[in-house]
Amino acid sequence: DGGITQSPKYLFRKEGQNVTLSCEQNLNHDAMYWYRQDPGQGLRLIYYSQIVNDFQKGDIAEGYSVSREKKESFPLTVTSAQKNPTAFYLCASSMGRRLATDTQYFGPGTRLTVL
Amino acid sequence: GESVGLHLPTLSVQEGDNSIINCAYSNSASDYFIWYKQESGKGPQFIIDIRSNMDKRQGQRVTVLLNKTVKHLSLQIAATQPGDSAVYFCADSGYNFNKFYFGSGTKLNVKP
Repeated sequence: DGGITQSPKYLFRKEGQNVTLSCEQNLNHDAMYWYRQDPGQGLRLIYYSQIVNDFQKGDIAEGYSVSREKKESFPLTVTSAQKNPTAFYLCASSMGRRLATDTQYFGPGTRLTVL
Repeated sequence: GESVGLHLPTLSVQEGDNSIINCAYSNSASDYFIWYKQESGKGPQFIIDIRSNMDKRQGQRVTVLLNKTVKHLSLQIAATQPGDSAVYFCADSGYNFNKFYFGSGTKLNVKP
């Protein structure tokens, strides 16, 4: 069963804590992405990776960090520096390495709530 | 653009009717377009895509129309079913495929 998995589905964080969101794909896609979705706004790109061991900042990278040690995995850490982290986080992947030449497929999302 | 949650435009249709959802994009250089469906609390699901060398593409019960002159994209759903109820949003590839721009979402409400 191929696809993108994200865990956990729900995550609660206390202020000052770092938390890590998991994203795994078994589609053999080169590129992976992290987006943030807030009510009343479109998807916003946080970070992306076009190849293993390389990643680039998106439009709203401040307060976030990522790693890409394996092709299948692209975890996102929400640090305490992120001022408003409560949101729905979506991971996506695409076959090609250029950001918008191929379809991006999304995972089920993680809803992060800061207590 | 806007997405799931507050202040989304809503389209209400009767089960069995056809639905038309519209999307405007801003970059005339955009070359690739995608429609996604997002159910409440879930990730977006790919529906259909189209490239700029086409003006129409059909899938199963769905048709996408592209009007590059006025930078407009529409999604037509035939014989709308209750399972079609969701938020629908478009994405366009922007200038030189630098990233996707996600358009305003529309909430489709199908009445039985």
